[in-house]
Amino acid sequence: DGGITQSPKYLFRKEGQNVTLSCEQNLNHDAMYWYRQDPGQGLRLIYYSHIVNDFQKGDIAEGYSVSREKKESFPLTVTSAQKNPTAFYLCASSISGQEGETQYFGPGTRLLVL
Amino acid sequence: QKEVEQNSGPLSVPEGAIASLNCTYSDRGSQSFFWYRQYSGKSPELIMSIYSNGDKEDGRFTAQLNKASQYVSLLIRDSQPSDSATYLCAVNSGIKAAVNKLTFGGGTRVLVKP
Repeated sequence: DGGITQSPKYLFRKEGQNVTLSCEQNLNHDAMYWYRQDPGQGLRLIYYSHIVNDFQKGDIAEGYSVSREKKESFPLTVTSAQKNPTAFYLCASSISGQEGETQYFGPGTRLLVL
Repeated sequence: QKEVEQNSGPLSVPEGAIASLNCTYSDRGSQSFFWYRQYSGKSPELIMSIYSNGDKEDGRFTAQLNKASQYVSLLIRDSQPSDSATYLCAVNSGIKAAVNKLTFGGGTRVLVKP
């Protein structure tokens, strides 16, 4: 089955702690994206990557970091600099990152602060 | 700041009726438009994409695009209780480059009552 997997489903962060959210896809897509969704709101773009070893900041990149060492993987680290990290985090992918392509979403990770 | 606006709802419709959802956007250069459905606690799933002015039909769903008026709408015919969800409108960045950046509206919550 082709698709996007995210882990863990739920993640708890303590004050001052960095945490990493996993995103893996076997769709052979070049482009991958990270979004954040707050309750009752739409999605906001954190980072995106169109090719291995290259990524760009989205609209709300502060307090987050990413890497793209493999085509299949695009992990997101929520650093201690992100003061309000509680949200639903969604990873997406598209074929090549060209304008107009459909983005497909993984199941999401819900991050909560202890 | 590029914006995508949706009425948050809830839009309550009786089973079998037509649900009409609207979305307006601010960037006149936008070329690609998407409707996603999101069930509570789940990730968004694509319903429709539309790129040209006019109507596009897929089963019980019809997307309508009017670039001159900067709105895109979604009609759900013969609404079923399983259609109860939040519907997200997404618009591309409008930048004519190899960049697939989507801006999402806040979503319209639809409740279909048996």
